Amino acid sequence: DTEVTQTPKHLVMGMTNKKSLKCEQHMGHRAMYWYKQKAKKPPELMFVYSYEKLSINESVPSRFSPECPNSSLLNLHLHALQPEDSALYLCASSQEEGLTEAFFGQGTRLTVV
Amino acid sequence: KNEVEQSPQNLTAQEGEFITINCSYSVGISALHWLQQHPGGGIVSLFMLSSGKKKHGRLIATINIQEKHSSLHITASHPRDSAVYICAVTRGSNYQLIWGAGTKLIIKP
Repeated sequence: DTEVTQTPKHLVMGMTNKKSLKCEQHMGHRAMYWYKQKAKKPPELMFVYSYEKLSINESVPSRFSPECPNSSLLNLHLHALQPEDSALYLCASSQEEGLTEAFFGQGTRLTVV
Repeated sequence: KNEVEQSPQNLTAQEGEFITINCSYSVGISALHWLQQHPGGGIVSLFMLSSGKKKHGRLIATINIQEKHSSLHITASHPRDSAVYICAVTRGSNYQLIWGAGTKLIIKP
């Protein structure tokens, strides 16, 4: 199994809603990542978890809250988002945080209305 | 100037043609990555290189560390190869990808 599974594939939410994005991998990878990608732009790193601990937070607003309940799961909790937060949110994992190949999920396309 | 430059930005070719996408970088790197992104959004890692050449099916990736340049080649191109191809580099021990702008490839039948 070399897949990173993200759910849901699409999400439309209002600015007052609370929702969560989920990411799952069963490759035994110990590093997991959240990226945000706007149209026609490269992905921007948001968070890195290494061995279930938050390793990197790229100055992401607190309305985005990551959680790593176990080594296979990564969540991104969303609250009070703005329309400009609409984007493709990509999850990735790698064996270790560092010089190892990353596997990406299909992404969740988020629209904030 | 971007740290990772790709060329061309857009490429349209006929099925069967040999495709070359180039990537130049201006920083010291620990590895260079070629990735593919289809219109649906998901990203697939094609290659991770730190030297030499790698081949996988119809895809070949080369890197010249001295010249800070890498190429991705596709032989016998097919419409299903149509996608955005992204070059990215990592520096140091963190997986902090520095991304190129991508090359949008369209293969016409």
